[in-house]
Amino acid sequence: DSGVTQTPKHLITATGQRVTLRCSPRSGDLSVYWYQQSLDQGLQFLIHYYNGEERAKGNILERFSAQQFPDLHSELNLSSLELGDSALYFCASSVGERPGELFFGEGSRLTVL
Amino acid sequence: GQNIDQPTEMTATEGAIVQINCTYQTSGFNGLFWYQQHAGEAPTFLSYNVLDGLEEKGRFSSFLSRSKGYSYLLLKELQMKDSASYLCAVRGTGTALIFGKGTTLSVSS
Repeated sequence: DSGVTQTPKHLITATGQRVTLRCSPRSGDLSVYWYQQSLDQGLQFLIHYYNGEERAKGNILERFSAQQFPDLHSELNLSSLELGDSALYFCASSVGERPGELFFGEGSRLTVL
Repeated sequence: GQNIDQPTEMTATEGAIVQINCTYQTSGFNGLFWYQQHAGEAPTFLSYNVLDGLEEKGRFSSFLSRSKGYSYLLLKELQMKDSASYLCAVRGTGTALIFGKGTTLSVSS
């Protein structure tokens, strides 16, 4: 158990819908990272927050947004969903702003039908 | 930008030794990581190299050559449970770890 909690574990929805994925980092970790993993693309970095502020953006679509709240939990919002958004979404946390070891949650598996 | 290359698949037998290579190109370099990921599970940390040379941790070792943009993960005394994907990741000048697509290792008896 990494100490990172993600909900929901599984989510099935339809195209055009909107979903919110939630992540609680390990106690004491200030950084939260979101990654998307699909079969052909591997782990793709989406976005990084540190202590409530956005620090870096990767390959995140404009239909996706995220935030980190004062209690350090984070949410990833995915809207206008398309079939291609079906993937495993991982949250990872680390203590500092620049990553040493990342601790990953179990992931949220999103299926868009 | 950053580019990380590793073989897509490898196979080996129990008890053998396997070396998984990773080459990278980054703007700035602040460390290379190896993660293990079993199917459907979260990646877990294996090793970290920031200086040239070999880091050994039990049956697993990782090597780094910064001048060549090259690393390898060496797995000894392979066990069936080592069947997994092995992900090479690089920390450049930014704040994120950038991952390669991973190498799927299949260990057979």
